Parts: sequence; C-alpha cells; structure tokens
Amino acid sequence: DTAVSQTPKYLVTQMGNDKSIKCEQNLGHDTMYWYKQDSKKFLKIMFSYNNKELIINETVPNRFSPKSPDKAHLNLHINSLELGDSAVYFCASSQGAGVKNTEAFFGQGTRLTVV
Amino acid sequence: AQSVTQLDSQVPVFEEAPVELRCNYSSSVSVYLFWYVQYPNQGLQLLLKYLSGSTLVKGINGFEAEFNKSQTSFHLRKPSVHISDTAEYFCAVRIQGAQKLVFGQGTRLTINP
Repeated sequence: DTAVSQTPKYLVTQMGNDKSIKCEQNLGHDTMYWYKQDSKKFLKIMFSYNNKELIINETVPNRFSPKSPDKAHLNLHINSLELGDSAVYFCASSQGAGVKNTEAFFGQGTRLTVV
Repeated sequence: AQSVTQLDSQVPVFEEAPVELRCNYSSSVSVYLFWYVQYPNQGLQLLLKYLSGSTLVKGINGFEAEFNKSQTSFHLRKPSVHISDTAEYFCAVRIQGAQKLVFGQGTRLTINP
C-alpha cells in the first residue's frame, strides 16, 4: 500500500485554467504538507495542516488554496494558472513535531506543466 | 531563521569509489537533521536522520552521516558507491518543535562506470 499518494502524476493545462491535485496518506499522521520543487530542483514548503487546521502558509499567492476535509487528505486547488506555476508539487505527511517521528514521508509528486 | 547549504551542486564519482556529500546548516536553536534521496521522476525517500544521541547515524543503502555541532555540518558518506546510487540528494533541517522542513539546494550524484 502506498503511504502518501497523489493524483494525478502528470498534469498539463493551459494558462488561466483552474486545476486540483489530490493527496491522501494512510499512515495515520496528523500533519500534512505541500511542497513545490522548481526547475532547479529547489524544494520549498507551501502549506502545512495539522488535524485539518492550517498552520503554515509560506506567502503563497491567493490563487493557491489548500483544503483538508479530514486529517488523511490534503488537496491543492490552483486558480488562474500561470506559466510560472509549472513545477513538481509534492505532498508529504508527518506525525507532528514530536521527538521520535519528525521525518516527513513524501508522495511521488505531481508534475504540473502550464502551456 | 534556519538555512541549509549543500556545498556541491554536482558530484561525479567512479563506481566503487567513496563519496562525501557536504551539508552545512545555520540555526540559533536545536535542530533535527535529515538526508533524503530523490531518484529520477520519483518522490523523496528518507536516507537517514539525526535527532539526538550518537553523532554518527547510519541509514539505508550503506549511507551514513556525522553530525558536527561545532561546525554545524551533517555530511553524508558512503564508502563504496554503486551505479544505482545515481540520484539527487537533499539535506534538510527542522527546528525542534517546528513543523516545516527546510531543504538545501540538492546535490546531484553521478556514478560513472
């Protein structure tokens, strides 16, 4: 069973469209994240949710809206897509910030290409 | 705020040679340290982590890393690499008590036969 799964794996869309990426984790973790990896492979956090509550929002444009219906799911909706949104988006989860379970488990990524 | 610097963007080595990938971090408070590996077109997989205790930590696939507090470093090593180790390697830190990981820029390890 896949621990953190994202869909779709590839997404090609035109500028101005709205799209969503879904993420689910079956690890029982209470914290989930979205990270963006740019063309130079640099990884940067976008959002973090803990038990469905937003706890980190790293100055991401308002066009990006995360939604967490329950603690096992964290979806990312993007409005009015721009060329600069092209990147690989990774979902991740972790068991909060406790000492023993501090590593994040990552999904396979969604490669978004805006044309 | 914390930051992570991976000193080499690319490291080419021959198969069966030893390798060291360097990572330095900056933080005014205690941190947890991690190395992740990303194989082509895949997600990130945890190689190893330092939380506390022994400064030498062993991970999967024969990798190990040493935490050096005085030099604020967490270098990754493997005594003998294999072609299958070709990948991008990321060093990351998390402030104790905080939620987010901060990543370095990544080091591309290329193994030549």
